[in-house]
Amino acid sequence: SQKIEQNSEALNIQEGKTATLTCNYTNYSPAYLQWYRQDPGRGPVFLLLIRENEKEKRKERLKVTFDTTLKQSLFHITASQPADSATYLCALAPADAGNMLTFGGGTRLMVKP
Amino acid sequence: DVKVTQSSRYLVKRTGEKVFLECVQDMDHENMFWYRQDPGLGLRLIYFSYDVKMKEKGDIPEGYSVSREKKERFSLILESASTNQTSMYLCASTLETGDNQPQHFGDGTRLSIL
Repeated sequence: SQKIEQNSEALNIQEGKTATLTCNYTNYSPAYLQWYRQDPGRGPVFLLLIRENEKEKRKERLKVTFDTTLKQSLFHITASQPADSATYLCALAPADAGNMLTFGGGTRLMVKP
Repeated sequence: DVKVTQSSRYLVKRTGEKVFLECVQDMDHENMFWYRQDPGLGLRLIYFSYDVKMKEKGDIPEGYSVSREKKERFSLILESASTNQTSMYLCASTLETGDNQPQHFGDGTRLSIL
């Protein structure tokens, strides 16, 4: 069956370091991969979208990579700040799914000052 | 900015009650979605709608129904609430295009069934 895995344990890092979050998938051939941020008690907020023919996408301090051979996406936050503390969700969609997404369980990031 | 508004942040109901969760979006989006989010299980799609009066089942539709009478409003209905439907419910919308679009979420309704 299709499976999307994100590290369920919280990631704790020091302010200023680069945070790297992982999204692995199996039995799936996504055409698109999206990353969302979710704060406690709030809905997810879209951050970045990357397509299967793109290796890397950047937006300010954020960088996403997409390796269809490894079936993995990495999400990096450089120069992390305490305000980056949140849960980060990856979501995948096959080419024919329109706007349907399948979400991973999310990884909680804690950035300590 | 797109605004997706869910009518209640917190709701407490009793087993067997019929429960309505309302969602309104203000950007003329074609697609609307209902998810539930549970610890360790992530977001799971209950139903989605791609047009007025049109609906499709998601991954976990059992025990739920939906209504979309107007483009901006998408309602989730628990026909006879049960305790295993205690969860965070999230509504989302997207603009229909040929490409994958980001989903815009409301802030959720935390529903407790006693």
